[in-house]
Amino acid sequence: GAVVSQHPSWVICKSGTSVKIECRSLDFQATTMFWYRQFPKQSLMLMATSNEGSKATYEQGVEKDKFLINHASLTLSTLTVTSAHPEDSSFYICSPIDGGHNEQFFGPGTRLTVL
Amino acid sequence: AQSVTQPDIHITVSEGASLELRCNYSYGATPYLFWYVQSPGQGLQLLLKYFSGDTLVQGIKGFEAEFKRSQSSFNLRKPSVHWSDAAEYFCAVGADGNKLVFGAGTILRVKS
Repeated sequence: GAVVSQHPSWVICKSGTSVKIECRSLDFQATTMFWYRQFPKQSLMLMATSNEGSKATYEQGVEKDKFLINHASLTLSTLTVTSAHPEDSSFYICSPIDGGHNEQFFGPGTRLTVL
Repeated sequence: AQSVTQPDIHITVSEGASLELRCNYSYGATPYLFWYVQSPGQGLQLLLKYFSGDTLVQGIKGFEAEFKRSQSSFNLRKPSVHWSDAAEYFCAVGADGNKLVFGAGTILRVKS
């Protein structure tokens, strides 16, 4: 199956700092990227959708100025959590769409802990 | 709005026993339905999906699911569970443009 990587796999940061999470599709071009967030014992919740080269579309209740998404290339998308607070502690999962085959894949996730 | 309910948070079955994980959905149109499995440190892996046609869908690893429109259900089944099946399972319904709405997940434990 297709390979999707996320880096880092886990990160601990101080409140007020910014954290960047990278998502790479290693063997296909991701025309669309979804970013999900999963709180403990809860389901994945869609945060935003981005298409390569355009601005991301955010779901209701997700602050676009806090969660900056960059999808500058077909193999790399980044999510930056700015001025992180403890309530941002969560599991962040990227989900690229293989545009050539219209298949959806998921990254292994990044565990963010904000102290 | 679309929603997915997985009534069982945890399920424990003996190795070799049969398994059924429940999933109910709410969606106004014909749903696209999915089952994913998530193991620790791994990304979500697609087990099977239903778009149309035969309501009994075969997936990987010996899993199958049956779409029942009258019950708004898409339960996942496996006739004989292996210890390696222990993981968390998510049911999802496809909304517009490949967006997925997930259920809360069911954690499967397999006892030997």
